[in-house]
Amino acid sequence: SQQGEEDPQALSIQEGENATMNCSYKTSINNLQWYRQNSGRGLVHLILIRSNEREKHSGRLRVTLDTSKKSSSLLITASRAADTASYFCAMPTDSWGKLQFGAGTQVVVTP
Amino acid sequence: DGGITQSPKYLFRKEGQNVTLSCEQNLNHDAMYWYRQDPGQGLRLIYYSQIVNDFQKGDIAEGYSVSREKKESFPLTVTSAQKNPTAFYLCASSPSRRQGEVEKLFFGSGTQLSVL
Repeated sequence: SQQGEEDPQALSIQEGENATMNCSYKTSINNLQWYRQNSGRGLVHLILIRSNEREKHSGRLRVTLDTSKKSSSLLITASRAADTASYFCAMPTDSWGKLQFGAGTQVVVTP
Repeated sequence: DGGITQSPKYLFRKEGQNVTLSCEQNLNHDAMYWYRQDPGQGLRLIYYSQIVNDFQKGDIAEGYSVSREKKESFPLTVTSAQKNPTAFYLCASSPSRRQGEVEKLFFGSGTQLSVL
């Protein structure tokens, strides 16, 4: 079974609004990563948060991690049409850091 | 430009045919990976390689084969034993895989494989 599950599966918002997506996982992790995928393209790494961190920012992105609830959230503030993409969380499944990906959240930002 | 190059972008396979997907990187990364992506699903790991001449099976290796003869190259062969090969295939690399370290992955732009 997948280590990570994302919610919602899809999200449609207007430009300027914030988009929030969540990732839940089952076993203890030492870090969690978020990636972005434009349609028909490869994934691009966005941000990594370690288990001893609660919140991390990168530009308009804010990631939180709650290890007690085994969940993480990705917030995109002031969204733009160019933010339209699928967003995936990924977490290591072994001590070597081999990653397992969630099913992703598809975000559509309309002008 | 440094990066990962996958080719071809689109590939068609006839029944009973083996096809090979190319993945080349000039990032000097030690580790390379192959993932399969089906519509609406996440990525599933097929094979990975930590160093030249060494590779390990991932979660869905059946019907696939790989080689790692050069650091820069990690081709994936989809054999006729893979009965449902239609998917988007992604190659990735990372600087190294050492126990306890965290690595982010760098991805190629993918190959869409379809069955004729």
